[in-house]
Amino acid sequence: GQQVMQIPQYQHVQEGEDFTTYCNSSTTLSNIQWYKQRPGGHPVFLIQLVKSGEVKKQKRLTFQFGEAKKNSSLHITATQTTDVGTYFCAGNIRDNAGNMLTFGGGTRLMVKP
Amino acid sequence: DGGITQSPKYLFRKEGQNVTLSCEQNLNHDAMYWYRQDPGQGLRLIYYSQIVNDFQKGDIAEGYSVSREKKESFPLTVTSAQKNPTAFYLCASSIPGAVKTQYFGPGTRLLVL
Repeated sequence: GQQVMQIPQYQHVQEGEDFTTYCNSSTTLSNIQWYKQRPGGHPVFLIQLVKSGEVKKQKRLTFQFGEAKKNSSLHITATQTTDVGTYFCAGNIRDNAGNMLTFGGGTRLMVKP
Repeated sequence: DGGITQSPKYLFRKEGQNVTLSCEQNLNHDAMYWYRQDPGQGLRLIYYSQIVNDFQKGDIAEGYSVSREKKESFPLTVTSAQKNPTAFYLCASSIPGAVKTQYFGPGTRLLVL
């Protein structure tokens, strides 16, 4: 079954409101990556987190990796209509043959102007 | 993502017909992947290849086949055994090393007539 879960599945916000998506793994991750897929497009790599407790920022986006390396979050401050899309986390599961990525189900963000 | 191309953009399949989706990359990446995405869903791994002339089944390989005769190319065949092939198919490649950041192609939408 799916080992990387994301919540919520959908989120509607008013432009200017904040948004957070959460990613949880049943197993410890060696690292976690985040991707954004615009409507009708393909996933595009945003960032990678490797260290326990790591926090990285990209303008209005803040990414966090949990201390136990089993969860992660993406927070967007003051959303804009350009933030619309589906955000996926993808975990590098330890001891996984081939060191494969396991994708979460994604959180679809809709922003009302 | 500019180095990965997929063709065609849209593909229509008749009942009982095999179809082949093309994926080409000029990024000199060793690993290549095929994912299936259903509407509103996440990415599910079909097949992956870590090196030329070698490939492995992913989570949903039944009804699909691949080949990896060249480093640049990783075509996916959707066979008649795949009873529900309508989906968005994404090809990706990754850089060598332990951390497999993936670069996606633009995708192919397959529809069954």
